[in-house]
Amino acid sequence: QSVLTQPPSVSGAPGQRVTISCTGTSSNIGANYDVYWYQQLPRTAPKLLIYDHSNRPSGVPDRFSGSRSGTSASLAITGLQSEDEADYYCQSYDSSLSGYVFGTGTTVTVL
Amino acid sequence: QVQLVESGGGVVQPGGSLTLSCAASGFMFITYGMHWVRQAPGKGLEWVAFIRYDGINDYYAHSVKGRFSVSRDNSKNTLWLHMTSLRAEDTALYYCAKDFREYSYPGGGFHIWGQGTMVTVSS
Repeated sequence: QSVLTQPPSVSGAPGQRVTISCTGTSSNIGANYDVYWYQQLPRTAPKLLIYDHSNRPSGVPDRFSGSRSGTSASLAITGLQSEDEADYYCQSYDSSLSGYVFGTGTTVTVL
Repeated sequence: QVQLVESGGGVVQPGGSLTLSCAASGFMFITYGMHWVRQAPGKGLEWVAFIRYDGINDYYAHSVKGRFSVSRDNSKNTLWLHMTSLRAEDTALYYCAKDFREYSYPGGGFHIWGQGTMVTVSS
């Protein structure tokens, strides 16, 4: 089951800024476990977008940024582009479940 | 470049067994923990299992514990997922994924993903 809660969908016009929230608990994000974000384009495997809350792997545009506060995290996309249309998932580790947990997923639509 | 290629998926009857394979290349397989993650049709991502870089310890989601077993052969750069007592709810695309950090214990993320292999449990 998904332990981290995300909004089902967000949308924005090209060039705009959108944010995706990821709400956890004191046994995952609030327990200081690292937060990761993944982008899943249609019919493809997920791709790592953000690691350790706010760092971008090589090759990920700086339009993508991550942050964490308390038991929540968020992903921001600035200068929205049509190729950003995808599903986005947050992920962390949960000490109560002794396992890795994903967010419920958010579909980004570019209007 | 880093590559993960899964194989072994197919259609299996409820209660049956199946073994998935993941061939790794382009990185030092022996220094990285490896995961299996699945995605049911039209649904989100679910972590399934993790095996440490040395194969000594393995960890499972509650939904598969006791039915699935993960193993690896570092001399062959290969990861496996042995699935038994399969249920309809195990139907999913199964991805293998490389852990983000070398020599890691549970608690990180998934760096590189394969393209997945489909498992369908149906009579």
